Amino acid sequence: AQKVTQAQTEISVVEKEDVTLDCVYETRDTTYYLFWYKQPPSGELVFLIRRNSFDEQNEISGRYSWNFQKSTSSFNFTITASQVVDSAVYFCALSEAAGNQFYFGTGTSLTVIP
Amino acid sequence: NAGVTQTPKFRVLKTGQSMTLLCAQDMNHEYMYWYRQDPGMGLRLIHYSVGEGTTAKGEVPDGYNVSRLKKQNFLLGLESAAPSQTSVYFCASTSPKPGTGNYNEQFFGPGTRLTVL
Repeated sequence: AQKVTQAQTEISVVEKEDVTLDCVYETRDTTYYLFWYKQPPSGELVFLIRRNSFDEQNEISGRYSWNFQKSTSSFNFTITASQVVDSAVYFCALSEAAGNQFYFGTGTSLTVIP
Repeated sequence: NAGVTQTPKFRVLKTGQSMTLLCAQDMNHEYMYWYRQDPGMGLRLIHYSVGEGTTAKGEVPDGYNVSRLKKQNFLLGLESAAPSQTSVYFCASTSPKPGTGNYNEQFFGPGTRLTVL
């Protein structure tokens, strides 16, 4: 079974629209970490955020915000007023404290149309 | 600091040839990882290492070998390349020590694009 599921394969929005990227995870550990990475067309992987399982506070960083809900095992990512530069593939990932591995979702490809 | 570097950036092999991909990090990280990225598959873990001299299999280890002779280097080898190994390969490193500002974040290299004909 997939530990991290990103059900949205591709999303297209028009510039300035808000968009939410979904991430659902599965773990039995009580201590774990969730991440979002961005992969722009240039190919590198850019770290966006880390959240640990004990911190359910939502976080906002500029136009980016993250909604962590343990009750639904979700860690969703919202981009407000999207811009063309936001066009990229976004990956959600899980790391369990008891293990040594990171588990990545299959990614969501976001296209922002000018 | 250079962070995580990968050599080479691009390579074309013929079926049956061998090659080694080099990953180097200058952040004194204990943990290092090799992933492959294929369209629609996300990042899949090939092998990883939790310290010098130790390696472990990930999700898709077949056809690959690794070595971690020095803490800063993690080598990925293909003994007999196959077209199914055409992919983009990413190396990553992380420190598991709590209390550090970047605890458990993975730092990625720029990737190696490998084509096997």
